Amino acid sequence: DAGVIQSPRHEVTEMGQEVTLRCKPISGHDYLFWYRQTMMRGLELLIYFNNNVPIDDSGMPEDRFSAKMPNASFSTLKIQPSEPRDSAVYFCASRPLASGIHEQYFGPGTRLTVT
Amino acid sequence: AQSVAQPEDQVNVAEGNPLTVKCTYSVSGNPYLFWYVQYPNRGLQFLLKYITGDNLVKGSYGFEAEFNKSQTSFHLKKPSALVSDSALYFCAVSSGNTPLVFGKGTRLSVIA
Repeated sequence: DAGVIQSPRHEVTEMGQEVTLRCKPISGHDYLFWYRQTMMRGLELLIYFNNNVPIDDSGMPEDRFSAKMPNASFSTLKIQPSEPRDSAVYFCASRPLASGIHEQYFGPGTRLTVT
Repeated sequence: AQSVAQPEDQVNVAEGNPLTVKCTYSVSGNPYLFWYVQYPNRGLQFLLKYITGDNLVKGSYGFEAEFNKSQTSFHLKKPSALVSDSALYFCAVSSGNTPLVFGKGTRLSVIA
């Protein structure tokens, strides 16, 4: 398996522009998570899905952020409009629903810079 | 609510010496504990987990961690550090099939 795939790996955009980050989870995994990593706040959970349904989006910082999972193999995180304080590394992770307690598998991340 | 504390931002150790990266946790119910490692410009890689059973858990790359319920700790250890172990280490906790809650991370620097 190729693991969790994220694109783009790097994104540089100007303040006010729309940004879309993409994630393909590991095939067969039923949970998908979006995290944001910054030096100041560490790793923050933004939102997670179970079987394509959003379960908890309480970590989404503002209405400017939205996430979708239209099918089991694809998710997007959108920021509109983007602001310089959104600059961070955004990680997607997935996990199987199988019985027992399982670790999350992380993608390589998307480094977002908003100027 | 779940939380993890990693009291050290940075740990320095000489190559060949034992290393310890500290982690304490707070959770309602049974804790499920994890360690991840992050190399520069990479995602987080799973090292090991404690679910139940033996308090000493062995993981990848010679790492191990000891679960201590009375001290609510889950310290990461390795008997002999390598320069290639230099990375950012994260402790995480879950109370079940809930998302992992991560600590702030500890940067490990192994000096040759």
